[in-house]
Amino acid sequence: GENVEQHPSTLSVQEGDSAVIKCTYSDSASNYFPWYKQELGKRPQLIIDIRSNVGEKKDQRIAVTLNKTAKHFSLHITETQPEDSAVYFCAASGGSGNTGKLIFGQGTTLQVKP
Amino acid sequence: DSGVTQTPKHLITATGQRVTLRCSPRSGDLSVYWYQQSLDQGLQFLIQYYNGEERAKGNILERFSAQQFPDLHSELNLSSLELGDSALYFCASSVMDDTGELFFGEGSRLTVL
Repeated sequence: GENVEQHPSTLSVQEGDSAVIKCTYSDSASNYFPWYKQELGKRPQLIIDIRSNVGEKKDQRIAVTLNKTAKHFSLHITETQPEDSAVYFCAASGGSGNTGKLIFGQGTTLQVKP
Repeated sequence: DSGVTQTPKHLITATGQRVTLRCSPRSGDLSVYWYQQSLDQGLQFLIQYYNGEERAKGNILERFSAQQFPDLHSELNLSSLELGDSALYFCASSVMDDTGELFFGEGSRLTVL
């Protein structure tokens, strides 16, 4: 079945450093890859997404890269700030059944130390 | 505010009981998705409805069922509750059934004692 693996599970960086979170997906038919940020007790919120016809996308301090051949995609956060501390989830959709459902990775807890 | 409304926000009940969680999608959205998030766990896909019809099914237990009504709101029914069912249940919606952003509600926190 569809599966998304996410690493690392926890990540601690110093304020101003960069953070990288990596995901792999199993279904080669997947074509949409969003990243969600979830603060404690809150709902997940989309921060950036990428489609399979694009290799890289950037939005200010956040960027996502996609390698379709290797079925890898990564989130890059530069110049991290304490407010970036949260749980980040990668996801994939468009695979089996080609529905809008998202299959999520296990999440990465990012801690940015001041 | 995502525009997705979930009720109740919190629910405490006993093992063996049955509860119903309700979700109203964003205005105009036809797809509704249900996810379960247990403590320190990820977002597990349960089920998707599109315009009243079941569209996709994940690892949803037989004790759980859902439906989407003609006004597009959805309900998730959880029966014969067990301690392990304690979790945050999220509803999300999207305009159609194709790939794109899902908008999440604030969730319903279920505690089974």
